[in-house]
Amino acid sequence: GQNIDQPTEMTATEGAIVQINCTYQTSGFNGLFWYQQHAGEAPTFLSYNVLDGLEEKGRFSSFLSRSKGYSYLLLKELQMKDSASYLCAVRGSSGTYKYIFGTGTRLKVLA
Amino acid sequence: DGGITQSPKYLFRKEGQNVTLSCEQNLNHDAMYWYRQDPGQGLRLIYYSQIVNDFQKGDIAEGYSVSREKKESFPLTVTSAQKNPTAFYLCASSSDYQLYEQYFGPGTRLTVT
Repeated sequence: GQNIDQPTEMTATEGAIVQINCTYQTSGFNGLFWYQQHAGEAPTFLSYNVLDGLEEKGRFSSFLSRSKGYSYLLLKELQMKDSASYLCAVRGSSGTYKYIFGTGTRLKVLA
Repeated sequence: DGGITQSPKYLFRKEGQNVTLSCEQNLNHDAMYWYRQDPGQGLRLIYYSQIVNDFQKGDIAEGYSVSREKKESFPLTVTSAQKNPTAFYLCASSSDYQLYEQYFGPGTRLTVT
């Protein structure tokens, strides 16, 4: 079957660093995506990995290991506005437009 | 500005009524999607369409129907056969020629009583 696992909730302090993990088992792989979703709003794109390694984008970085079926999103210098849900999603094999989403990790940033 | 629009933001219906949620995009994307999100849950795929006049069932298609007569539009009908229709509905689109990221509309919160 196809499955994406993420922790349900995490808490961190303003200014700190937090790592949100995602493991996946999917039939085919054509990229892993991270989205941020504030309560009641639509998800917004954060990062994309298709090859192994680290992608850095300002305060956000994302890592992928395809052999381990594993990714993480690293958030540095946490701000209160980073309190949101973070969704991990995998795009299926080339030729399919289907994306599979994890249930999301709710991050609370405390002052 | 390019983007995806969904209307209305909030929708209230009585049980037993069909309701159609609109989704329009001007990003020239081929693929469009409908997801359902319940409180504290991730996104579950209802239907997706890779090209005009073609669409595929997602994981939870029962009780829903779609059409794709134009590239820009992908309306979703929630029928009376859907047992638990109250949810947050998100429409998205993506291109197969760029980063593949999905762009999401603002969502429609449907409440059926």
